[in-house]
Amino acid sequence: DAGVIQSPRHEVTEMGQEVTLRCKPISGHDYLFWYRQTMMQGLELLVYFNNKAVMDDSGMPKDRFSAKMPNASFSTLKIQPSEPRDSAVYFCASKRLYTGELFFGEGSRLTVL
Amino acid sequence: KNEVEQSPQNLTAQEGEFITINCSYSVGISALHWLQQHPGGGIVSLFMLSSGKKKHGRLIATINIQEKHSSLHITASHPRDSAVYICAVRSAQGGSEKLVFGKGTKLTVNP
Repeated sequence: DAGVIQSPRHEVTEMGQEVTLRCKPISGHDYLFWYRQTMMQGLELLVYFNNKAVMDDSGMPKDRFSAKMPNASFSTLKIQPSEPRDSAVYFCASKRLYTGELFFGEGSRLTVL
Repeated sequence: KNEVEQSPQNLTAQEGEFITINCSYSVGISALHWLQQHPGGGIVSLFMLSSGKKKHGRLIATINIQEKHSSLHITASHPRDSAVYICAVRSAQGGSEKLVFGKGTKLTVNP
């Protein structure tokens, strides 16, 4: 299996621009997670899906962030408008329903100038 | 106070040494994860524990539910073990899959 695939790997954008991050989970996995990692806060959960339904988005700033999972093999995390404080590495991860092991993508490093 | 506290924050060892990284948490949990993040940035899941002990190669993870404490041990450490090790817990409440993460322990193993 190819693992969790994220794109882009790096994105540099200017404040106010829209950013879209993409994730393809491992086939057959029921859960998909979006995490953000910064030096100050470490890893934090933004949102997670179970069978394409949002289960918890309490970590996501709702005014500018939105997450979608239109089908079992694709998810997006959109930031509009982006701000410098959104600069971070965004990780997507997936797992099966009854196993604990999380599989992470390589991450998308976002820099907002 | 963070829900998940790791110690030490930084650890430097010589090749071959026995390493222990500690994780304490303050809530009831259904599972605890140990993750490894290499300098390149990728994150790999090492263990998921809900009780007792697990071993994989030179890595051993233990958990004491009553004391709300887990340890990750590395025997015969090697420079390739140099990475950040992150502890994360899943709350026992409500069946959530949300993980709360520690800040990580940066391990450097010198040859």
